[in-house]
Amino acid sequence: AQSVTQLGSHVSVSEGALVLLRCNYSSSVPPYLFWYVQYPNQGLQLLLKYTTGATLVKGINGFEAEFKKSETSFHLTKPSAHMSDAAEYFCADSKVAGGFKTIFGAGTRLFVKA
Amino acid sequence: DAMVIQNPRYQVTQFGKPVTLSCSQTLNHNVMYWYQQKSSQAPKLLFHYYDKDFNNEADTPDNFQSRRPNTSFCFLDIRSPGLGDAAMYLCATSRDPLAGGEQYFGPGTRLTVT
Repeated sequence: AQSVTQLGSHVSVSEGALVLLRCNYSSSVPPYLFWYVQYPNQGLQLLLKYTTGATLVKGINGFEAEFKKSETSFHLTKPSAHMSDAAEYFCADSKVAGGFKTIFGAGTRLFVKA
Repeated sequence: DAMVIQNPRYQVTQFGKPVTLSCSQTLNHNVMYWYQQKSSQAPKLLFHYYDKDFNNEADTPDNFQSRRPNTSFCFLDIRSPGLGDAAMYLCATSRDPLAGGEQYFGPGTRLTVT
């Protein structure tokens, strides 16, 4: 069955440190992959997406992610964490065999320490 | 700015008292979704409309209904809210899913059941 797995429900980094949030997918068809961010009491906001083409995609707020088919991964990175990056992050795949339905990972809460 | 609007942002209802949540969009998107999100969990799709075509998820309780009177508006009706229905309800839109699948979320309505 199609799935999206986010490794680590909580990640804590110091301000200025590298942010790495891990996402692996399992799909029988080429995926359409997304990272969304959710701040407290807000909806989800698209950070970046990969559908086809260049495997390194850049998003808003300095985030980027690399699609690695051989590793079935789509990890999210940011070189230097800022306090404002503290939020919940969801990885998602919107392409399923036979159609389109968004499968969300369980989410990773990012904490940024001063 | 084009956007997805949800009203109200916070709703308190009594156990068993029907409640309606509303969503409107200025994006002119074909698809509108309703998600339920409980604390520290991923959004759970309840149903979606592709234009006027209603698509219910198999595990969505009958207590949840939806209406889409026109392209811009979509409503979520909870006929007899139980304590377990307290959650954040997120509305989202997308263009034709074949275009890539990214979704645009509203800010959500937090429902409290007393």
